[in-house]
Amino acid sequence: GAVVSQHPSRVICKSGTSVKIECRSLDFQATTMFWYRQFPKKSLMLMATSNEGSKATYEQGVEKDKFLINHASLTLSTLTVTSAHPEDSSFYICSANPIAESSYNEQFFGPGTRLTVL
Amino acid sequence: RKEVEQDPGPFNVPEGATVAFNCTYSNSASQSFFWYRQDCRKEPKLLMSVYSSGNEDGRFTAQLNRASQYISLLIRDSKLSDSATYLCVVGSYKLIFGSGTRLLVRP
Repeated sequence: GAVVSQHPSRVICKSGTSVKIECRSLDFQATTMFWYRQFPKKSLMLMATSNEGSKATYEQGVEKDKFLINHASLTLSTLTVTSAHPEDSSFYICSANPIAESSYNEQFFGPGTRLTVL
Repeated sequence: RKEVEQDPGPFNVPEGATVAFNCTYSNSASQSFFWYRQDCRKEPKLLMSVYSSGNEDGRFTAQLNRASQYISLLIRDSKLSDSATYLCVVGSYKLIFGSGTRLLVRP
């Protein structure tokens, strides 16, 4: 199956710092990647859709200036949490759609990044 | 009303039991339906896609009722390793996740 990696898997930072999370599709190309956030015992909430070569599409209530997304290539999307605060502490997960039409909608998830802001 | 609703559980069943989960969705235009499994502090993993004709994969059977906007997952002969949270996922281009149903299989 398709493999998606995320880096780092865990990060602890001080309030006010910025944190960059990378999402890579290892064995397929993805024009679209998705960024989710999951709080404890809650479901995944879509934050934004990352489109290769164009601006990301953010969900309602997600600040685009706080969560910067860059999708520079068909295998890499990055999420930068700027000026992180304790309330940003969460599990951030990316997913990717393979380009092949037969697998449209089927998303493969990265292992997630657990962010703790002190 | 939530876009995708699931009973949070937990469902606590003995090994070998049959257990069924249900899910309802609100958007009648939804085109894709999946069940994902999520273990504690891990990413979701696709369990199976759900089709109108129903589909079966070993001990797992999924059904879709578009008229009632209802999806089900049946697990037969439960194993200890089936203990996890099962996420109902609905969407088109964008996927909407239910909050999950927690299953605990006891020896």
